[in-house]
Amino acid sequence: AQSVTQPDIHITVSEGASLELRCNYSYGATPYLFWYVQSPGQGLQLLLKYFSGDTLVQGIKGFEAEFKRSQSSFNLRKPSVHWSDAAEYFCAVGGPEYGNKLVFGAGTILRVKS
Amino acid sequence: DAGVIQSPRHEVTEMGQEVTLRCKPISGHNSLFWYRQTMMRGLELLIYFNNNVPIDDSGMPEDRFSAKMPNASFSTLKIQPSEPRDSAVYFCASIRGAFGGEAFFGQGTRLTVV
Repeated sequence: AQSVTQPDIHITVSEGASLELRCNYSYGATPYLFWYVQSPGQGLQLLLKYFSGDTLVQGIKGFEAEFKRSQSSFNLRKPSVHWSDAAEYFCAVGGPEYGNKLVFGAGTILRVKS
Repeated sequence: DAGVIQSPRHEVTEMGQEVTLRCKPISGHNSLFWYRQTMMRGLELLIYFNNNVPIDDSGMPEDRFSAKMPNASFSTLKIQPSEPRDSAVYFCASIRGAFGGEAFFGQGTRLTVV
């Protein structure tokens, strides 16, 4: 079955510390990969996306993600977390191999402690 | 552009009543998605349209749910009759093209069925 796995339901980091959120997808030679962020009561906002080319992609708010085909992963990173980064983060995969549907992971809730 | 517009933002209804959720996609976007978000099941794709035509409705939970897209600027998701287990946040998202671009999400409709 088509699936996206985000193994961490909750993550807590200190402000200023680095962050890595994990994401694995179930299959696909050329997946389209996305990270979205959702603040409470809000819709989802795109942080970054990967379709092809350079496997390290830069996004908004200082986030980046690296596509590793050998590991079927697309982990999200940020060198220094700010308190305003506290939110829920969703990894998603789509494209023709996924029937052009956008399949989301279960999400990771990020808490930032000062 | 005003983004994807959903209405109402909140809906409280009694079990057995008909509920209609509305979505106006971004002008020029020709793919539209309806998602449901709950704590238990996360983000589930219910149905998506391309050029106003339903492409995949396999995520629609049962016959009580129906969706239409009569034109490029409007879509509805109807639940009749509604049940308490339908309580969730329903999101609409639109994309330019069949797929491959960023999905823009509306603010969602929080539905409570009592």
